[in-house]
Amino acid sequence: QVQLVQSGAEVKKPGASVKVSCKASGYSFTRYYMHWVRQAPGQGLEWMGIMNPSGDRTSYAQKFQGRVTMTRDTSTSTVYMELSSLRYEDTAVYFCARAPSGLDASDIWGQGTMVTVSS
Amino acid sequence: QSALTQPASVSGSPGQSITFSCTGTSSDVGGYNSVSWYQQHPGNAPKLMIYEVSNRPSGVSNRFSGSKSGNTASLTISGLQAEDEADYYCSSYTSSSTYVFGTGTKVTVL
Repeated sequence: QVQLVQSGAEVKKPGASVKVSCKASGYSFTRYYMHWVRQAPGQGLEWMGIMNPSGDRTSYAQKFQGRVTMTRDTSTSTVYMELSSLRYEDTAVYFCARAPSGLDASDIWGQGTMVTVSS
Repeated sequence: QSALTQPASVSGSPGQSITFSCTGTSSDVGGYNSVSWYQQHPGNAPKLMIYEVSNRPSGVSNRFSGSKSGNTASLTISGLQAEDEADYYCSSYTSSSTYVFGTGTKVTVL
């Protein structure tokens, strides 16, 4: 069964960092792109960035440049999204979503990880 | 990169057809056939409904169809059903090698 399973909810203080994981199973991990998307409470979807299948290239939304880092561990088929210098407005559900090569769309999504920034 | 513009809400009666838009620019929607549509029910992850403007993934009902003209893409839901009530988001690849989502449309089945 193809699935993406994300890590659990996090509560962080302003200025801290958070690292969300996304474990892939049921497919060849190194043949798909991985997007990260977030959704603040009651708001729409916001694209954060993408990692290529070989894991050596990333592209981030300008809004998150300098604060977001996407990495992966091929041995465990897990991708990570780390967001630093957290602000209250970073409170959101963070999703990972895979995209087949050559397809500018995400066909499988993780269940989402709630990140709450609170003092 | 500004979000693509979608109407905030659209409604229709069961059995009817509805169409709503996703407007961008020549740097995103108008420049690429890389428009996709996602359905999201409350508390759930988005689900891919349409990719590459008008293609349906396996398992998605043929009541959903997509099109594009210029800088505006559209999603049509025909034979509206209660289960179609959800939020819908468009997405496009951009000339900056990034992606952008639409503002979202809430579909209500009357």
